[in-house]
Amino acid sequence: EDKVVQSPLSLVVHEGDTVTLNCSYEVTNFRSLLWYKQEKKAPTFLFMLTSSGIEKKSGRLSSILDKKELFSILNITATQTGDSAVYLCAVDPGSGNTPLVFGKGTRLSVIA
Amino acid sequence: DAGVIQSPRHEVTEMGQEVTLRCKPISGHNSLFWYRQTMMRGLELLIYFNNNVPIDDSGMPEDRFSAKMPNASFSTLKIQPSEPRDSAVYFCASSKSGTFYNEQFFGPGTRLTVL
Repeated sequence: EDKVVQSPLSLVVHEGDTVTLNCSYEVTNFRSLLWYKQEKKAPTFLFMLTSSGIEKKSGRLSSILDKKELFSILNITATQTGDSAVYLCAVDPGSGNTPLVFGKGTRLSVIA
Repeated sequence: DAGVIQSPRHEVTEMGQEVTLRCKPISGHNSLFWYRQTMMRGLELLIYFNNNVPIDDSGMPEDRFSAKMPNASFSTLKIQPSEPRDSAVYFCASSKSGTFYNEQFFGPGTRLTVL
């Protein structure tokens, strides 16, 4: 059974801290790994990773994939209260018509 | 583009009542997904359609749940009869399958409360 495991389940940090969120996966086939941010409403897309070792970056957020060790990390530097959200990791198990497999998410709370 | 549209945004109903949730996917997207999200279980895939055809409904919890997609621009998720444990946020998402890029775009969700 395809599985995505995220850790930690929740995290509370102070503004300005750097956080690392983890996502490990076991899937029969792998095409890509996606990170989503979910605030009060629906998940919104952050990154899609397909190749090992290539960092994707958007402002203070960055992510990297290790296809050998089957994990990805999402880094947020200089956190702000607006970064408070649930961060979801999902894996596309490939073949074009298969759904994403989601982890349970990491709830990040950034306090002033 | 209006994005994925869901209605209603909130619904409060009594146990035993029928609930119908509606979704309009993004135009041109040919895959549609229904998810349920709770604090305890996270985001769970209930069913997904490809080109209006249900592909996998193994996530549908019970026979009380049913989903239809009569055309490319509309889908419904029905719960009959509803129970308190069905209370959750129900998300609809769509994507353009058949391409390498499988990003799913989520609707705003329907928050269902069954009393």
